[in-house]
Amino acid sequence: QLVLTQSPSASASLGASVKLTCTLSSGHSSYAIAWHQQQPEKGPRYLMKLNSDGSHTKGDGIPDRFSGSSSGAERYLTISGLQSEDEADYYCQTWGTGIPLVFGGGTKLTVL
Amino acid sequence: EVQLVESGGGLVQPGRSLRLSCAASGFTFDDYAMHWVRQAPGKGLEWVSGVSWRGGRIDYADSVKGRFTISRDNAKNSLYLQMNSLRAEDTALYYCAKDMGATAAECIDSWGQGTLVIVSS
Repeated sequence: QLVLTQSPSASASLGASVKLTCTLSSGHSSYAIAWHQQQPEKGPRYLMKLNSDGSHTKGDGIPDRFSGSSSGAERYLTISGLQSEDEADYYCQTWGTGIPLVFGGGTKLTVL
Repeated sequence: EVQLVESGGGLVQPGRSLRLSCAASGFTFDDYAMHWVRQAPGKGLEWVSGVSWRGGRIDYADSVKGRFTISRDNAKNSLYLQMNSLRAEDTALYYCAKDMGATAAECIDSWGQGTLVIVSS
């Protein structure tokens, strides 16, 4: 079964960097994912598509501070130079042949 | 610029029906698969249903199978979700979302702002 696991919460200081993790279930370590950001009281926003080799395709207007990387079954979203507007929920999402879209449970990022 | 504008949400009694619409602009609508994703109050994102570019492939989450019907009208650049036999647990913000691909569910790369559905007596 294709499952994405995310830590429920994370925190980091203004101006610092933070690395969020999304883990693919066993047998699915080659899958690509997408990262989405949801700021408070707003709809989600697509950040990037992240492949298993770490290559990624960012959405229009996504700042360079947002980057992605991969290692095995783990997919990472790194945000550098944290700003107050980065405080949001971050969701990973994946897909597979014959498998509908799957979302992780989301990570709530607090900027201190 | 891609724009997805949902409408049709509201307060409805359990067991009744509701039809959501999504008006799309800023891209060639019939080149892409489309989805409905929902978010219950205080909860995460849940994929509901998806339809391929010409409507030939349709998928549903188990939680809505047999009750909800997705459709699209490429001539009108519109996506729809017919929701029947609504339950309290269907209460959520419903988002229209554009897929990066055409034929099968893949990567969502654009989202609407959502329309709220409240199922309550």
